[in-house]
This record gives sequence, structure tokens and C-alpha cells, in this order.
Amino acid sequence: GQNIDQPTEMTATEGAIVQINCTYQTSGFNGLFWYQQHAGEAPTFLSYNVLDGLEEKGRFSSFLSRSKGYSYLLLKELQMKDSASYLCAVTDNDYKLSFGAGTTVTVRA
Amino acid sequence: IAGITQAPTSQILAAGRRMTLRCTQDMRHNAMYWYRQDLGLGLRLIHYSNTAGTTGKGEVPDGYSVSRANTDDFPLTLASAVPSQTSVYFCASSVAHSGANVLTFGAGSRLTVL
Repeated sequence: GQNIDQPTEMTATEGAIVQINCTYQTSGFNGLFWYQQHAGEAPTFLSYNVLDGLEEKGRFSSFLSRSKGYSYLLLKELQMKDSASYLCAVTDNDYKLSFGAGTTVTVRA
Repeated sequence: IAGITQAPTSQILAAGRRMTLRCTQDMRHNAMYWYRQDLGLGLRLIHYSNTAGTTGKGEVPDGYSVSRANTDDFPLTLASAVPSQTSVYFCASSVAHSGANVLTFGAGSRLTVL
């Protein structure tokens, strides 16, 4: 089975930085994804990591360590519109994507 | 506008009734997926299809069936709905069923079984 853990909730101030951690234990590994989901909406793709290291995309960065089964999503210069759930997901040996329960980030003024 | 269309948006259903959730994509994606999303549990894969004519079971397939007669359509059927199937259902698609498969999601179908 798949085990993907991430914190349930995080709160941060507008303009600050927040780091969302994700640990995983899965049957094989073919990549790790981060999706963003605003309340009442569909998830949308943020980032993909398959090799160790940091991938930067504007205000968002994602890090992966395959040996530690660990990833984080870094959100910089937080804006109110960043208030959402952030979903960590891992592709297994059969290429099926399994999701963590999600981390709800609340940005306060 | 290219994307995924799900119907209905919302439905209240009596237990024991049959229900089909519709999903259509116009991106010519080969792979399609059905997930359910429940509070505290995240998205869980119900069924998937690598390509037209093939389907596979996900993490929580019991009580659900799918078909993939063509590339565009991937309906999900609940043969006899039960209250535990109350959930938000998301259809998704990707270019291919592979490690780097970025999923595009539909807007979701909220189903309540009483």
C-alpha cells in the first residue's frame, strides 16, 4: 500500500515563506507531484520531481530526496490567493498516482 | 475550451439506486482516471484506463464500474448506491499512463447518497 504523510494545516502571514513537508513510503517510485486545490475547485498541477534536488518555478519551489522518501513545497512571498490545500502525490511502479490527505494553508493579512 | 467536463455537478440519490457519473475530455488524452475525495482522506483512485478499450482497478474499486468505449468518454457507474459512497468525485486525464503523467482534473461531481 501507499503511505503519504503531510501536515493537516499551516497558517502564515502575507509576504512570508511557508514550507510544506511530505514523507512517503510507496511500492516503487516514478515521480512526486504537488497539486494546488482551492476550496470547492479541482486540483491543479504545481510541480513534478523525479530526480533529487530543488525545482524552482517562480514563487514556488519543490525539493525531493528519494533516499529519505521526503519532499517539500516552498511557497515564497505569500499572497492571499495562495490560501488553498496543497496535495503531495507519488507515482508508483504501476504509474498510478496516490495522494496524501493534503495540507490546508491559510494566509493571513 | 479544451478540458474535462463532468456531469452532473451535484446529485442527491436514494440508497439502492443506480447512478452514472459522466466524464468527457476533448484533449485526446490516452489515460483517464476516477478519484473520490473525502475529508481527511484525500483523493483515492477508484478506476483508471490506460487507453480506449482497457480499464484497471485503483485503491477503492468496490461498488463501482467503468467503461472506456472511446478515447473521450469515461463514465463511472454505481450499480446500487450506498451512503458510504457520498463523496466528491473527480475525473482526470493525462496524455499517457506514465511516471510523468500530469493529471488534468474535471470540476468534480458532488454525490450525496441518503
